[in-house]
Amino acid sequence: DAMVIQNPRYQVTQFGKPVTLSCSQTLNHNVMYWYQQKSSQAPKLLFHYYDKDFNNEADTPDNFQSRRPNTSFCFLDIRSPGLGDAAMYLCATSRDEGETQYFGPGTRLLVL
Amino acid sequence: ILNVEQSPQSLHVQEGDSTNFTCSFPSSNFYALHWYRWETAKSPEALFVMTLNGDEKKKGRISATLNTKEGYSYLYIKGSQPEDSATYLCAFPYGGSQGNLIFGKGTKLSVKP
Repeated sequence: DAMVIQNPRYQVTQFGKPVTLSCSQTLNHNVMYWYQQKSSQAPKLLFHYYDKDFNNEADTPDNFQSRRPNTSFCFLDIRSPGLGDAAMYLCATSRDEGETQYFGPGTRLLVL
Repeated sequence: ILNVEQSPQSLHVQEGDSTNFTCSFPSSNFYALHWYRWETAKSPEALFVMTLNGDEKKKGRISATLNTKEGYSYLYIKGSQPEDSATYLCAFPYGGSQGNLIFGKGTKLSVKP
């Protein structure tokens, strides 16, 4: 089945130690999104790619970076994780902007 | 700043009860409203995309209505089952029909057998 896959499902990192979360899709969708969801909060968009074009949200900290080497893969890099970055990170895809988004199961990040 | 509000925050019902909850969104410059269901340890799953005032959509025992003039949508579940237990999220695109989604915090539904 076509799907959105996120690895790992759980990630533990140390304060200040760079960490990379990965997302892959078999849907061949043009758009890939990264969301951050903290406990009891709404998922918040960090950035998205339309094909190779990167679109950063204005309030996304510089500590968060992303790479999309090809259509199928997208990575979220957190350069120096702080305790406040502990959250669920969701990846999603859509065929075009504004269309239904298809989500991965998320990676829960714990920062020690 | 656009705000999407959902109520209640959580809901506990018995199996067989019917239930409903609300999503409120800005009524100006409306393009669409999305509903998602997110079961624990699974991926959020799209339920409905609603675009027309007065629209009503149905998927099995779940249905949703839309009032764009007053800025709200209701999600109804008829005869709740334990497998309906999930967080139900609504989302509103900002900046146009191709805008990115602003999500509400969700309504967490627990259905007891």
